[in-house]
Amino acid sequence: KNQVEQSPQSLIILEGKNCTLQCNYTVSPFSNLRWYKQDTGRGPVSLTIMTFSENTKSNGRYTATLDADTKQSSLHITASQLSDSASYICVVRGLTGTASKLTFGTGTRLQVTL
Amino acid sequence: DTAVSQTPKYLVTQMGNDKSIKCEQNLGHDTMYWYKQDSKKFLKIMFSYNNKELIINETVPNRFSPKSPDKAHLNLHINSLELGDSAVYFCASSGGLDTDTQYFGPGTRLTVL
Repeated sequence: KNQVEQSPQSLIILEGKNCTLQCNYTVSPFSNLRWYKQDTGRGPVSLTIMTFSENTKSNGRYTATLDADTKQSSLHITASQLSDSASYICVVRGLTGTASKLTFGTGTRLQVTL
Repeated sequence: DTAVSQTPKYLVTQMGNDKSIKCEQNLGHDTMYWYKQDSKKFLKIMFSYNNKELIINETVPNRFSPKSPDKAHLNLHINSLELGDSAVYFCASSGGLDTDTQYFGPGTRLTVL
């Protein structure tokens, strides 16, 4: 069964600090992996997408890494801001014949405090 | 100029009632989706429509019936509402089935009493 597991479930950090969120998946064959940010009461917004051949990709203070061999991805947030407080969801697209399917992780709830 | 909009934002209703949630996108996308997010914040896809045709229909009770009058709209009708239907329902759209970026609406919080 394809799974996407994220850790930690929740995290509290001080403003200005860095943090790293983890995503492990068993989806195979793999097409791509995407990180979404979901603010409270809003829909998810895409941060980055990574394909099999990509190891790292940045979007401002967000840097995602991918190790397709170990089926692990991380999202690193640099110099956190209060506005980074949100849930971060890892989504893996797998391939099934000619179709593809998305598997969602349960998310990491990040709280940035003063 | 909202990309994906949903109405209503909040919906409180009694068990057994029938209700609808509407979704519209102005991005010119061909594919639209409905997701359910439960109290544990787990997002689960329910339906996917491509060019007004049902493509994905996950294991969802047949009390849930999506309807796509045109490519820009995907409505969700729910019959005989149950307590377990309480959740946040998100509509999303993308350029195509395998076009990755999905744009989500703001969600509709459904509470069944």
